[in-house]
Amino acid sequence: ETGVTQTPRHLVMGMTNKKSLKCEQHLGHNAMYWYKQSAKKPLELMFVYSLEERVENNSVPSRFSPECPNSSHLFLHLHTLQPEDSALYLCASSQDLGYTNEQFFGPGTRLTVL
Amino acid sequence: AQSVTQLGSHVSVSEGALVLLRCNYSSSVPPYLFWYVQYPNQGLQLLLKYTTGATLVKGINGFEAEFKKSETSFHLTKPSAHMSDAAEYFCAVKIPAGNLIFGKGTKLSVKP
Repeated sequence: ETGVTQTPRHLVMGMTNKKSLKCEQHLGHNAMYWYKQSAKKPLELMFVYSLEERVENNSVPSRFSPECPNSSHLFLHLHTLQPEDSALYLCASSQDLGYTNEQFFGPGTRLTVL
Repeated sequence: AQSVTQLGSHVSVSEGALVLLRCNYSSSVPPYLFWYVQYPNQGLQLLLKYTTGATLVKGINGFEAEFKKSETSFHLTKPSAHMSDAAEYFCAVKIPAGNLIFGKGTKLSVKP
C-alpha cells in the first residue's frame, strides 16, 4: 500500500449504531487530519493530530471521537449520528504542521446515516 | 482570517479549449496557495502550489496558475482541455500557524 488509505470506502449506519473509520498513511508523516466534505460546502476541518497529540478540534460534536494510536493510524469513532452527518469523510497527512507542507489525501469514506 | 472564493461552481468547456478556473483569496499576511483536484470517488490530489518566488506556477497534467497579489487572485489555467480533466477543482489558502482553508470547489465538465 502506498499513500493514504481509508477503510471502509462506504458505510451505511443507523442513528443508534457505533462504527469506526480507519485511516493509515504509509508516508512517514507526523501530522494527520480528518475532514468532512458535504455537497455544496467547503471542506470542513474536523481534527488535527501532530505526533499523536490532538492539536485542533474544530467545534465538532462529541458524537465524533478521534483516536490516533500512532503516527501512521487515525480513527474516527462514530456513535448516535444524525442524518445530517452523512458526507464524505476524508483523511489526510502531512510531513508536519509546517507552513508549506502539502497534505496528502485518502480516497475517503462515504458515510450514509439512515 | 483568511478565506477563499471560487467563482463559478460549474464550468463547461469543449475538448481542446482553454480552461480557466477562478480563485480569489483574502489574507492578512502573505499566503501560500494551493490547487487540488478531485476525481469521482477519489480523494484530493495536489495539482500545484505557490509558496514564494516565481508567481507563475506549473503543476501536473499541464495546469498552471499565476499568483497576482494586486488582484488577490490565483486562477488556474490549462491551454487545451482534455476529457480526462473532468473533475472538481479546489483552491485553498494557508498562512503561518493556520489551517488549510478550502474554497467550495468548481466542477469542470469537458464536452467532446
